[in-house]
Amino acid sequence: GAVVSQHPSWVICKSGTSVKIECRSLDFQATTMFWYRQFPKQSLMLMATSNEGSKATYEQGVEKDKFLINHASLTLSTLTVTSAHPEDSSFYICSALTMTETQYFGPGTRLLVL
Amino acid sequence: AQSVTQPDIHITVSEGASLELRCNYSYGATPYLFWYVQSPGQGLQLLLKYFSGDTLVQGIKGFEAEFKRSQSSFNLRKPSVHWSDAAEYFCAVGTLYGGATNKLIFGTGTLLAVQP
Repeated sequence: GAVVSQHPSWVICKSGTSVKIECRSLDFQATTMFWYRQFPKQSLMLMATSNEGSKATYEQGVEKDKFLINHASLTLSTLTVTSAHPEDSSFYICSALTMTETQYFGPGTRLLVL
Repeated sequence: AQSVTQPDIHITVSEGASLELRCNYSYGATPYLFWYVQSPGQGLQLLLKYFSGDTLVQGIKGFEAEFKRSQSSFNLRKPSVHWSDAAEYFCAVGTLYGGATNKLIFGTGTLLAVQP
């Protein structure tokens, strides 16, 4: 149980385009999901908290107009990187919170912006 | 402020040897503590968690961790390491957020290498 999927697993795009990443909880409902960013050989940095039916809460320093989050259902949250630039290249990981206050993580999406 | 410290950036052990990964936390209340493991290019897998009760918790893959309030520690142990255990290990503390303990603060991770 508590499986979280992400799609796509990797994406390459041109600078200036937008990229959408999906995070799904497959066997449970999650009112809260989280989006993280991880740089090589570093820990996870929380970007934002996604709440179903309401606006996301962004961490300090994260541009909400750059990283659009939509949590339209209890099993799906999306992160859209708008007008992506090379510095946005990173590994993006989502997690979904269960009723037992435990976060389960997706496999991650590697984004490369050329 | 809440924080998690993993003092060892990199550890190498021989296959079959015992393992202990250290984790210290700073948190004002009773913490919710977690250990996750990350294989290269993958997401994080939950190994075990401590919320309350017995301070020695058992997890998957033969791992266990002990919560020691007096030392603010939650060290991860395994009696006999397998080559497949080579990965990066993250300790995390759950913080109060919106009335629930669900926002995680991660340590910097410990990279485990296993020698044959």
